Amino acid sequence: GAVVSQHPSWVICKSGTSVKIECRSLDFQATTMFWYRQFPKQSLMLMATSNEGSKATYEQGVEKDKFLINHASLTLSTLTVTSAHPEDSSFYICSAGQVGEKLFFGSGTQLSVL
Amino acid sequence: AQKITQTQPGMFVQEKEAVTLDCTYDTSDPSYGLFWYKQPSSGEMIFLIYQGSYDQQNATEGRYSLNFQKARKSANLVISASQLGDSAMYFCAMDDMRFGAGTRLTVKP
Repeated sequence: GAVVSQHPSWVICKSGTSVKIECRSLDFQATTMFWYRQFPKQSLMLMATSNEGSKATYEQGVEKDKFLINHASLTLSTLTVTSAHPEDSSFYICSAGQVGEKLFFGSGTQLSVL
Repeated sequence: AQKITQTQPGMFVQEKEAVTLDCTYDTSDPSYGLFWYKQPSSGEMIFLIYQGSYDQQNATEGRYSLNFQKARKSANLVISASQLGDSAMYFCAMDDMRFGAGTRLTVKP
């Protein structure tokens, strides 16, 4: 099956710094990628949909300037958490696929902001 | 807009028994799809099964089957012959890529 690689698996950073998370489709072209956030023992919350070559579509309540998404190629989407604060600590997971079809997920990134 | 509801925060099942995880949905779209994913403690998301609204038969994938009742707007996941490795979070989702609250399944030996 299709493979989505997400890096890093975990990151610890100081408050105020920015963190970039990469999501790569290894063996297929992903025109659409989805970014989720998951708090402990909760469901995945869709943050944004990124389409290659265009601006991401953010869900209501998600700060565009806080969570920068770039999808510059058919195999790579990045999520940058800018000026991270402790409340941004969470599990972030990306997926690739088309609306209405099954998603291929990355392994997730655990972000801890000190 | 589509809406997914999972009302069972946690479920327990004895090993080798069958278990049903509930999922109800609401949508005004005439055509839609329903998905089930499994999330073990490692955090990865694993696709289990898909049901299209116009599929004539309930979907099955190995030990997983979907009890799709369109009139009731329910798409319950049935896991037969539970195994210890089935212990995980299970999420239901629709085409819009949004997930239900999830159900934590624990399989007892």
